[in-house]
Amino acid sequence: AQSVTQLDSQVPVFEEAPVELRCNYSSSVSVYLFWYVQYPNQGLQLLLKYLSGSTLVKGINGFEAEFNKSQTSFHLRKPSAHISDTAEYFCAVSRVNTGFQKLVFGTGTRLLVSP
Amino acid sequence: GAGVSQSPRYKVAKRGQDVALRCDPISGHVSLFWYQQALGQGPEFLTYFQNEAQLDKSGLPSDRFFAERPEGSVSTLKIQRTQQEDSAVYLCASSLESLVGRAGNTIYFGEGSWLTVV
Repeated sequence: AQSVTQLDSQVPVFEEAPVELRCNYSSSVSVYLFWYVQYPNQGLQLLLKYLSGSTLVKGINGFEAEFNKSQTSFHLRKPSAHISDTAEYFCAVSRVNTGFQKLVFGTGTRLLVSP
Repeated sequence: GAGVSQSPRYKVAKRGQDVALRCDPISGHVSLFWYQQALGQGPEFLTYFQNEAQLDKSGLPSDRFFAERPEGSVSTLKIQRTQQEDSAVYLCASSLESLVGRAGNTIYFGEGSWLTVV
Protein backbone atom coordinates (compact mmCIF):
# COMPACT_ATOMS: atom_id res chain seq x y z
CA ALA A 1 0.00 0.00 0.00
CA GLN A 2 1.00 3.59 -0.48
CA SER A 3 0.85 6.43 2.02
CA VAL A 4 1.56 10.15 1.89
CA THR A 5 2.71 12.35 4.74
CA GLN A 6 2.36 16.11 4.77
CA LEU A 7 3.92 17.06 8.07
CA ASP A 8 2.88 20.70 8.01
CA SER A 9 -0.83 21.23 8.49
CA GLN A 10 -0.42 24.97 8.02
CA VAL A 11 2.31 27.15 6.50
CA PRO A 12 2.07 30.93 6.99
CA VAL A 13 4.21 33.17 4.81
CA PHE A 14 4.35 36.80 3.84
CA GLU A 15 3.66 37.93 0.31
CA GLU A 16 6.73 37.64 -1.96
CA ALA A 17 8.45 35.25 0.45
CA PRO A 18 9.54 31.81 -0.81
CA VAL A 19 7.29 28.86 -0.14
CA GLU A 20 8.06 25.20 0.50
CA LEU A 21 5.38 22.62 1.23
CA ARG A 22 6.77 19.25 2.24
CA CYS A 23 5.58 15.87 1.06
CA ASN A 24 7.00 12.44 1.84
CA TYR A 25 5.59 9.17 0.62
CA SER A 26 5.91 5.49 1.36
CA SER A 27 5.53 2.76 -1.23
CA SER A 28 7.00 -0.63 -1.99
CA VAL A 29 6.45 -0.08 -5.71
CA SER A 30 7.13 2.75 -8.13
CA VAL A 31 4.68 5.62 -8.00
CA TYR A 32 3.62 8.69 -9.89
CA LEU A 33 3.46 11.89 -7.82
CA PHE A 34 1.04 14.80 -7.90
CA TRP A 35 0.28 18.10 -6.25
CA TYR A 36 -3.28 19.42 -6.21
CA VAL A 37 -4.61 22.76 -4.96
CA GLN A 38 -8.05 23.31 -3.48
CA TYR A 39 -9.42 26.82 -3.18
CA PRO A 40 -12.32 27.41 -0.76
CA ASN A 41 -15.53 25.77 -1.91
CA GLN A 42 -13.90 24.53 -5.10
CA GLY A 43 -12.75 21.20 -6.42
CA LEU A 44 -9.18 20.00 -6.63
CA GLN A 45 -7.05 21.41 -9.43
CA LEU A 46 -3.87 19.73 -10.67
CA LEU A 47 -0.76 21.87 -10.08
CA LEU A 48 1.85 19.50 -11.44
CA LYS A 49 2.78 15.84 -11.72
CA TYR A 50 5.85 13.65 -11.98
CA LEU A 51 5.56 10.63 -14.23
CA SER A 52 9.14 10.03 -15.36
CA GLY A 53 12.22 11.80 -16.67
CA SER A 54 13.54 15.02 -15.17
CA THR A 55 13.06 15.09 -11.42
CA LEU A 56 12.31 18.82 -11.43
CA VAL A 57 8.75 19.38 -12.52
CA LYS A 58 7.26 22.77 -13.32
CA GLY A 59 3.55 23.41 -12.91
CA ILE A 60 1.01 26.17 -13.11
CA ASN A 61 1.07 29.45 -11.18
CA GLY A 62 4.86 29.42 -10.84
CA PHE A 63 5.01 26.29 -8.70
CA GLU A 64 7.60 23.55 -9.09
CA ALA A 65 8.44 20.32 -7.31
CA GLU A 66 11.42 18.03 -7.16
CA PHE A 67 11.20 14.27 -6.94
CA ASN A 68 13.85 12.79 -4.66
CA LYS A 69 13.70 9.01 -4.81
CA SER A 70 16.31 8.37 -2.13
CA GLN A 71 14.46 10.56 0.35
CA THR A 72 11.03 9.55 -0.96
CA SER A 73 10.06 13.20 -1.12
CA PHE A 74 8.25 15.48 -3.53
CA HIS A 75 8.38 18.95 -2.00
CA LEU A 76 6.50 21.82 -3.61
CA ARG A 77 8.19 25.20 -3.98
CA LYS A 78 7.49 28.68 -5.24
CA PRO A 79 10.11 31.46 -5.22
CA SER A 80 7.68 34.26 -4.40
CA ALA A 81 4.25 33.80 -2.83
CA HIS A 82 1.19 35.73 -3.87
CA ILE A 83 -1.92 36.47 -1.83
CA SER A 84 -3.94 34.43 -4.31
CA ASP A 85 -1.88 31.33 -3.47
CA THR A 86 -3.76 31.03 -0.18
CA ALA A 87 -5.40 27.60 -0.41
CA GLU A 88 -5.15 23.98 0.68
CA TYR A 89 -2.49 21.91 -1.06
CA PHE A 90 -2.59 18.13 -1.36
CA CYS A 91 0.20 15.79 -2.32
CA ALA A 92 -0.86 12.48 -3.87
CA VAL A 93 0.63 9.30 -5.32
CA SER A 94 -0.60 6.52 -7.56
CA ARG A 95 0.98 3.21 -8.41
CA VAL A 96 2.77 2.79 -11.68
CA ASN A 97 1.49 0.06 -13.98
CA THR A 98 -2.01 -0.36 -12.66
CA GLY A 99 -5.17 -0.33 -14.71
CA PHE A 100 -6.21 3.11 -13.63
CA GLN A 101 -5.01 6.13 -11.70
CA LYS A 102 -6.07 5.53 -8.10
CA LEU A 103 -4.83 8.49 -6.08
CA VAL A 104 -3.74 8.27 -2.44
CA PHE A 105 -3.73 11.72 -0.85
CA GLY A 106 -2.00 13.28 2.11
CA THR A 107 -3.95 15.21 4.73
CA GLY A 108 -3.17 18.54 3.13
CA THR A 109 -1.25 21.72 3.98
CA ARG A 110 -2.99 25.04 4.30
CA LEU A 111 -0.87 27.84 2.82
CA LEU A 112 -1.69 31.25 4.27
CA VAL A 113 -0.14 34.20 2.44
CA SER A 114 -0.47 37.53 4.20
CA PRO A 115 0.47 41.05 3.08
CA GLY B 1 -20.08 20.46 -20.15
CA ALA B 2 -16.95 22.44 -19.47
CA GLY B 3 -16.18 20.73 -16.20
CA VAL B 4 -17.31 18.02 -13.82
CA SER B 5 -20.66 18.99 -12.39
CA GLN B 6 -22.03 17.68 -9.10
CA SER B 7 -25.43 18.05 -7.47
CA PRO B 8 -26.64 18.85 -4.97
CA ARG B 9 -23.82 21.06 -3.78
CA TYR B 10 -25.11 20.92 -0.22
CA LYS B 11 -27.30 18.32 1.43
CA VAL B 12 -28.48 18.03 5.01
CA ALA B 13 -29.90 14.62 5.80
CA LYS B 14 -31.47 13.25 8.95
CA ARG B 15 -29.82 10.15 10.31
CA GLY B 16 -31.36 7.12 8.68
CA GLN B 17 -32.39 8.96 5.53
CA ASP B 18 -31.24 7.80 2.08
CA VAL B 19 -29.36 10.26 -0.14
CA ALA B 20 -28.35 10.29 -3.79
CA LEU B 21 -25.49 12.38 -5.14
CA ARG B 22 -25.17 13.00 -8.86
CA CYS B 23 -22.09 13.50 -11.00
CA ASP B 24 -21.96 14.73 -14.60
CA PRO B 25 -18.45 14.08 -15.87
CA ILE B 26 -16.78 15.92 -18.72
CA SER B 27 -18.32 14.75 -21.97
CA GLY B 28 -16.47 11.80 -23.49
CA HIS B 29 -14.48 10.94 -20.39
CA VAL B 30 -14.07 7.23 -19.96
CA SER B 31 -12.94 7.15 -16.35
CA LEU B 32 -15.01 8.30 -13.40
CA PHE B 33 -14.01 8.31 -9.75
CA TRP B 34 -15.71 9.02 -6.43
CA TYR B 35 -13.74 10.23 -3.43
CA GLN B 36 -14.80 11.03 0.13
CA GLN B 37 -13.19 13.95 1.96
CA ALA B 38 -13.84 14.22 5.67
CA LEU B 39 -13.29 17.54 7.43
CA GLY B 40 -9.59 18.29 7.74
CA GLN B 41 -8.55 15.23 5.76
CA GLY B 42 -7.40 14.46 2.27
CA PRO B 43 -9.75 12.80 -0.22
CA GLU B 44 -10.05 9.04 0.05
CA PHE B 45 -10.86 6.78 -2.89
CA LEU B 46 -14.28 5.18 -2.94
CA THR B 47 -14.87 3.66 -6.36
CA TYR B 48 -13.88 3.73 -10.05
CA PHE B 49 -15.81 3.28 -13.29
CA GLN B 50 -14.48 2.68 -16.76
CA ASN B 51 -17.44 3.58 -18.93
CA GLU B 52 -20.35 1.73 -17.31
CA ALA B 53 -18.24 -0.94 -15.65
CA GLN B 54 -17.44 -0.53 -11.97
CA LEU B 55 -13.92 -1.91 -11.88
CA ASP B 56 -12.99 -1.06 -8.31
CA LYS B 57 -15.24 -0.48 -5.32
CA SER B 58 -12.70 -1.34 -2.67
CA GLY B 59 -12.99 2.05 -0.98
CA LEU B 60 -16.73 1.97 -0.30
CA PRO B 61 -16.91 2.01 3.52
CA SER B 62 -19.94 -0.24 3.92
CA ASP B 63 -22.74 -1.95 2.04
CA ARG B 64 -24.83 1.17 2.64
CA PHE B 65 -22.83 2.83 -0.12
CA PHE B 66 -23.70 2.08 -3.73
CA ALA B 67 -22.58 3.70 -6.97
CA GLU B 68 -23.73 3.28 -10.54
CA ARG B 69 -23.03 4.64 -14.00
CA PRO B 70 -25.55 2.77 -16.15
CA GLU B 71 -24.92 4.46 -19.50
CA GLY B 72 -21.28 5.28 -19.05
CA SER B 73 -21.82 8.98 -18.49
CA VAL B 74 -23.73 10.31 -15.46
CA SER B 75 -23.01 8.58 -12.16
CA THR B 76 -24.94 8.43 -8.91
CA LEU B 77 -23.56 7.69 -5.48
CA LYS B 78 -26.27 6.47 -3.13
CA ILE B 79 -25.96 6.24 0.62
CA GLN B 80 -28.63 4.31 2.46
CA ARG B 81 -29.57 4.82 6.10
CA THR B 82 -27.11 7.67 6.53
CA GLN B 83 -25.06 7.89 9.72
CA GLN B 84 -23.27 10.86 11.24
CA GLU B 85 -19.90 9.46 10.20
CA ASP B 86 -21.03 9.77 6.57
CA SER B 87 -20.81 13.57 6.87
CA ALA B 88 -18.16 14.62 4.36
CA VAL B 89 -17.59 16.17 0.98
CA TYR B 90 -18.08 13.69 -1.84
CA LEU B 91 -15.89 14.47 -4.81
CA CYS B 92 -16.46 13.17 -8.31
CA ALA B 93 -13.65 13.19 -10.86
CA SER B 94 -13.23 12.14 -14.47
CA SER B 95 -10.47 11.61 -16.98
CA LEU B 96 -10.38 11.07 -20.72
CA GLU B 97 -8.55 7.78 -20.60
CA SER B 98 -8.03 4.93 -18.23
CA LEU B 99 -4.41 4.37 -19.08
CA VAL B 100 -2.10 5.23 -16.24
CA GLY B 101 0.93 7.35 -16.86
CA ARG B 102 -0.17 9.07 -20.03
CA ALA B 103 1.13 12.60 -19.75
CA GLY B 104 -2.06 14.16 -20.98
CA ASN B 105 -4.40 12.03 -18.91
CA THR B 106 -5.36 14.54 -16.26
CA ILE B 107 -8.00 13.81 -13.65
CA TYR B 108 -10.50 16.66 -13.31
CA PHE B 109 -12.41 17.09 -10.06
CA GLY B 110 -15.85 18.54 -9.46
CA GLU B 111 -16.60 21.01 -6.68
CA GLY B 112 -18.06 18.31 -4.49
CA SER B 113 -21.30 17.56 -2.71
CA TRP B 114 -21.22 18.56 0.94
CA LEU B 115 -23.24 16.09 3.01
CA THR B 116 -24.14 16.80 6.62
CA VAL B 117 -25.99 14.11 8.57
CA VAL B 118 -27.81 15.38 11.64
